[in-house]
Amino acid sequence: KNQVEQSPQSLIILEGKNCTLQCNYTVSPFSNLRWYKQDTGRGPVSLTIMTFSENTKSNGRYTATLDADTKQSSLHITASQLSDSASYICVVNLEGQAGTALIFGKGTTLSVSS
Amino acid sequence: DAGVIQSPRHEVTEMGQEVTLRCKPISGHNSLFWYRQTMMRGLELLIYFNNNVPIDDSGMPEDRFSAKMPNASFSTLKIQPSEPRDSAVYFCAISSGGPYNEQFFGPGTRLTVL
Repeated sequence: KNQVEQSPQSLIILEGKNCTLQCNYTVSPFSNLRWYKQDTGRGPVSLTIMTFSENTKSNGRYTATLDADTKQSSLHITASQLSDSASYICVVNLEGQAGTALIFGKGTTLSVSS
Repeated sequence: DAGVIQSPRHEVTEMGQEVTLRCKPISGHNSLFWYRQTMMRGLELLIYFNNNVPIDDSGMPEDRFSAKMPNASFSTLKIQPSEPRDSAVYFCAISSGGPYNEQFFGPGTRLTVL
């Protein structure tokens, strides 16, 4: 069964600290993996997209890694800011399919406090 | 929320009433998606359209749900009759295809059925 599991479910950190969010997937065939940020009351916004041949991609203070062999991804946030408080969703795209191809994780809720 | 307008942003209704959610995508896309998000199940694809034609509605929970896309700039999701378990946030998303099939989400409609 195609699944995406994220951990931890929630996380609280102090402003300025780093953190790492985890994503494990059992999706095949794999096309690409995305990380979305969803602020409260808003729709998800894409942070990074990686294909199986890419093992790291950065977007400012956000760095995503991908290990296609172990089927694991992580999202590292450096020097966290209050505005990083949001839900982070890992999404895996099945290869060869268009609309119904996205398998969503349930997200990690990050709270950054001052 | 870039490129997608959803209305209403919030809807509170009583069980048994008809509910219509609206989505107005900005031009330049060829696919439109309706998602439902709950705490328990996360984001779930309900239906998607390609060039205004419904391609896959296997995610629509039951016959009470229906979706239309009469033209490229407008889509509706209707629930009739509504039930309390339909309470969720409903998102519309668009995609223009491309190598990553990236999707852009609207701000969502929060539906509460009493």
